[in-house]
Amino acid sequence: EVQLVQSGAEVKKPGESLKISCKGSGYSFTSYWIGWVRQMPGKGLEWMGIIYPSDSDTRYSPSFQGQVTISADKSTSTAYLHWSSLKASDTAIYYCARRGSYFGYWGQGTLVTVSS
Amino acid sequence: EIVLTQSPGTLSLSPGERATLSCRASQSVTSSYLAWYQQKPGQAPRLLIYGASSRATGIPDRFSGSGSGTDFTLTINRLEPEDFAVYYCQQYGSSPHDFGQGTRLEIK
Repeated sequence: EVQLVQSGAEVKKPGESLKISCKGSGYSFTSYWIGWVRQMPGKGLEWMGIIYPSDSDTRYSPSFQGQVTISADKSTSTAYLHWSSLKASDTAIYYCARRGSYFGYWGQGTLVTVSS
Repeated sequence: EIVLTQSPGTLSLSPGERATLSCRASQSVTSSYLAWYQQKPGQAPRLLIYGASSRATGIPDRFSGSGSGTDFTLTINRLEPEDFAVYYCQQYGSSPHDFGQGTRLEIK
């Protein structure tokens, strides 16, 4: 069974750094792209970017380029989303999803709250 | 970038009725690489349709997708109570693979 299990909710202050994770299981982790999707409170889905764990080829949406870093560790079948300096506007639920063209499998989401 | 515009923003219908949701792209979507997702409160999105018209595994046949080029439609026949949710389209033919803004399907 394909599963994507994300790390737990985080509460951070503006300016702090954060890395959240998404662990894949039940399939060959290096054979599929993993993507990240943001959902701000009460809003729609926003495509942030994708990574191919086999070679770490990464594509970002222009809206998120330079704002976050997507990475992956093949040895642990885990993808990451990293912020070096959080802003209040980063408050959202972040989903990872496996891309076999479309997003067929999704993680449960990680709530990130940034507040002073 | 391809911009997807969904309409209507909110659709109010009763169980048993048919829902027709639209997704219009600002330019042609490559090879009909268009997907539809359903999202219920507090849940992750769920894939319904891919390739504009192929149902994902386990999706009831009352859900159907159609369209090509710039105009796509999700039709839900004989609405069930569990179908009331938010629906998003997404194009995955050219990066960034953006989503539409969503259509909320609510009980009338």
